[in-house]
Amino acid sequence: GQQLNQSPQSMFIQEGEDVSMNCTSSSIFNTWLWYKQDPGEGPVLLIALYKAGELTSNGRLTAQFGITRKDSFLNISASIPSDVGIYFCAGHMDSNYQLIWGAGTKLIIKP
Amino acid sequence: KAGVTQTPRYLIKTRGQQVTLSCSPISGHRSVSWYQQTPGQGLQFLFEYFSETQRNKGNFPGRFSGRQFSNSRSEMNVSTLELGDSALYLCASSLPNSSVSSGANVLTFGAGSRLTVL
Repeated sequence: GQQLNQSPQSMFIQEGEDVSMNCTSSSIFNTWLWYKQDPGEGPVLLIALYKAGELTSNGRLTAQFGITRKDSFLNISASIPSDVGIYFCAGHMDSNYQLIWGAGTKLIIKP
Repeated sequence: KAGVTQTPRYLIKTRGQQVTLSCSPISGHRSVSWYQQTPGQGLQFLFEYFSETQRNKGNFPGRFSGRQFSNSRSEMNVSTLELGDSALYLCASSLPNSSVSSGANVLTFGAGSRLTVL
């Protein structure tokens, strides 16, 4: 089936550092969504992107819908301890109701 | 506005037993999706229900089943439990979106039901 390639798989960063992660696909998507999951909880929507080239911010988070419609990026500026968790990308194609999910990026902040 | 409610939050079963998990979506949301998440794994899609009908199904064996009621509440059932069924089962609901071209269903997730099979 369709897959999204999400990278990196995990990140060890210092508090205050900027973080970048991305998702790519061989298929064209009409929507990109970024979610964050805290331990023991369900994923929570961070940012939704609906147009190619769109750049959207949510506080220290910024996400972009790639112009080829085959990729998306999420950046976190000046990371803080509460940013730890797993970040998932998800995409939607017109041909299918179902969201396609990346495998997640685990963010760990070094003490 | 109440979020997506899943019950029970935690449960322990033994191999061969069956389990039923419940999900109450956000009021007004008519689509309910179920996912399985095992440690270190991403979200594996189980199935999606819309207006009491299964609209999409993932690649899971027939031991996994679900249903949706007229009030949009949903249940999923796993029969003949196996050790590998131990996982966090997540339910997500979304607004009505019966058209594939009208954009993504933005999912709102519940906190999950953590199943341990011994």
